[in-house]
Amino acid sequence: DAEITQSPRHKITETGRQVTLACHQTWNHNNMFWYRQDLGHGLRLIHYSYGVQDTNKGEVSDGYSVSRSNTEDLPLTLESAASSQTSVYFCASSVSLPRGTGELFFGEGSRLTVL
Amino acid sequence: AQSVTQPDIHITVSEGASLELRCNYSYGATPYLFWYVQSPGQGLQLLLKYFSGDTLVQGIKGFEAEFKRSQSSFNLRKPSVHWSDAAEYFCAVGMEYGNKLVFGAGTILRVKS
Repeated sequence: DAEITQSPRHKITETGRQVTLACHQTWNHNNMFWYRQDLGHGLRLIHYSYGVQDTNKGEVSDGYSVSRSNTEDLPLTLESAASSQTSVYFCASSVSLPRGTGELFFGEGSRLTVL
Repeated sequence: AQSVTQPDIHITVSEGASLELRCNYSYGATPYLFWYVQSPGQGLQLLLKYFSGDTLVQGIKGFEAEFKRSQSSFNLRKPSVHWSDAAEYFCAVGMEYGNKLVFGAGTILRVKS
């Protein structure tokens, strides 16, 4: 079955370290997104991509970067981790309307703790 | 800027009782509206969506939602709640042909027996 997987599922790191969260989808979806989930804020968009070599900033992109070298993967990098980046991170993918439904398909999340 | 408001952070209902979760949005163009559910430790699953047409939409697990343009609302309802419905529910509005969803802060549903 096609799916979207995130790794690692849990990560503890120290302030200032570089961290990369992986996201891999096998649906061949053009669109991929990274959200962070924090209590009281719901999900907030970090970065997104509408295709290979395309990346865009979301509402909370400071301190994060992404790259899209193929359809399947959108890794999220924290260049220098900060305690404020302790969160649960969700990757999602979709196919745009009208060709698709616009529905987001989510991974199971990556819980990151920055000490 | 686009925004979604879910006024209720927590709601507790008795099993078998009816449920309504509120959602108000702010978006200048035609909204693409979604409800997602998240069980503890899981990702989000789509319950239902509205793009156009009939303003009352049916979803999975017996949920429905009604789009009211005049009130900028998209409230989620279920006539009889089951204990397995306990979860967190998110309303979202989609921009750019339904992409790039903006989510509300979520409503945590607790079901008491």
